[in-house]
Amino acid sequence: GQQLNQSPQSMFIQEGEDVSMNCTSSSIFNTWLWYKQDPGEGPVLLIALYKAGELTSNGRLTAQFGITRKDSFLNISASIPSDVGIYFCAGQNYTNAGKSTFGDGTTLTVKP
Amino acid sequence: DAGVTQSPTHLIKTRGQQVTLRCSPKSGHDTVSWYQQALGQGPQFIFQYYEEEERQRGNFPDRFSGHQFPNYSSELNVNALLLGDSALYLCASSLGGLAVEQYFGPGTRLTVT
Repeated sequence: GQQLNQSPQSMFIQEGEDVSMNCTSSSIFNTWLWYKQDPGEGPVLLIALYKAGELTSNGRLTAQFGITRKDSFLNISASIPSDVGIYFCAGQNYTNAGKSTFGDGTTLTVKP
Repeated sequence: DAGVTQSPTHLIKTRGQQVTLRCSPKSGHDTVSWYQQALGQGPQFIFQYYEEEERQRGNFPDRFSGHQFPNYSSELNVNALLLGDSALYLCASSLGGLAVEQYFGPGTRLTVT
């Protein structure tokens, strides 16, 4: 089946730094989603991308839908301590919309 | 506006037993999807219920079954529990059977001993 590879697996950064993470797939997705999960909670949707090349922002977060439709990127600018958590990418296809395939996450630690 | 709620929060079961997990979708949503999240991994899609029918299914055995009620709430049943079924079970709700954007509940932590 489809698999998503997220990198890096973990990141340790200083407060105020910018963060970049990405997600790649062996096959095409029609929709890319980025979620954040805090301990003891379910994933929270951050950004949804619907078109190849699309660049979408949500506050300090910016995500891009790769041109090949096999990858996506998430950037966080000027990180703050509450950005700590696990970031997941997920992809969906038109043929089975509503079924998300998730990566294994990037764990972000922000040092004050 | 009530978000997605799940019960119970935690559950401990013995191998071979059966378990039922419950989910109430976000107000106004009519579709419920269930995911299994093993420790250190991303969620894996189990199945989706819309209009009280299973519409899509992931790569999970028949031991995993579900139900959706007329009020859109849903149950996940797992029979003949295995140690490997220990995981966080997440419910996600959305509007419309093909909706992309899903809202997750806090999950039920199942431990099988």
